[in-house]
Amino acid sequence: GAVVSQHPSWVICKSGTSVKIECRSLDFQATTMFWYRQFPKQSLMLMATSNEGSKATYEQGVEKDKFLINHASLTLSTLTVTSAHPEDSSFYICSGTWGLGYTEAFFGQGTRLTVV
Amino acid sequence: DAKTTQPNSMESNEEEPVHLPCNHSTISGTDYIHWYRQLPSQGPEYVIHGLTSNVNNRMASLAIAEDRKSSTLILHRATLRDAAVYYCTAQRRAGGTSYGKLTFGQGTILTVHP
Repeated sequence: GAVVSQHPSWVICKSGTSVKIECRSLDFQATTMFWYRQFPKQSLMLMATSNEGSKATYEQGVEKDKFLINHASLTLSTLTVTSAHPEDSSFYICSGTWGLGYTEAFFGQGTRLTVV
Repeated sequence: DAKTTQPNSMESNEEEPVHLPCNHSTISGTDYIHWYRQLPSQGPEYVIHGLTSNVNNRMASLAIAEDRKSSTLILHRATLRDAAVYYCTAQRRAGGTSYGKLTFGQGTILTVHP
């Protein structure tokens, strides 16, 4: 399957600082990228959907000013957690799809964020 | 978004077939059914997807009920490496900016015994 690379794999930051997570599709053009958050022993929760060159569409309850998503090219999307707090500590996962509508999603390996 | 319901956990013995069920009674006619699996501290891995007909690939088979309200993922011969959380999801073809959106349910923890 296609490869999505997420960086960093883990990060520890101080409360109040911002953290950027990168998601790259290595061997395909990801027309749409998705960002998920997963708490321990829970399922993935979709945060937002982004299309290249467009503003992201956020799920209900997700603060767009806190979780900044940029999808500047067909191979790169970034998630910036601004003014991070301990409750933002979680496992963040991106995925990319290509084409229109019904295609499989390819996921990054995830980023473990710990805010201290 | 269509809601999916799966058993919390299932167990199998190595080299035996495993049938993982999923209910998706609220699925719409244009939603695809996708299955993914996830190992601890990793991103999900695509397994299979389909619309109405049964589907086979190198990893598994997907049997979709005629009324599309349920489906079953079939692992023909479970191995220890198949132990994971399996998610059944519905992929809705939304307009505009939400192509391919997947909403995950709670998933099934599959344990494979040697």
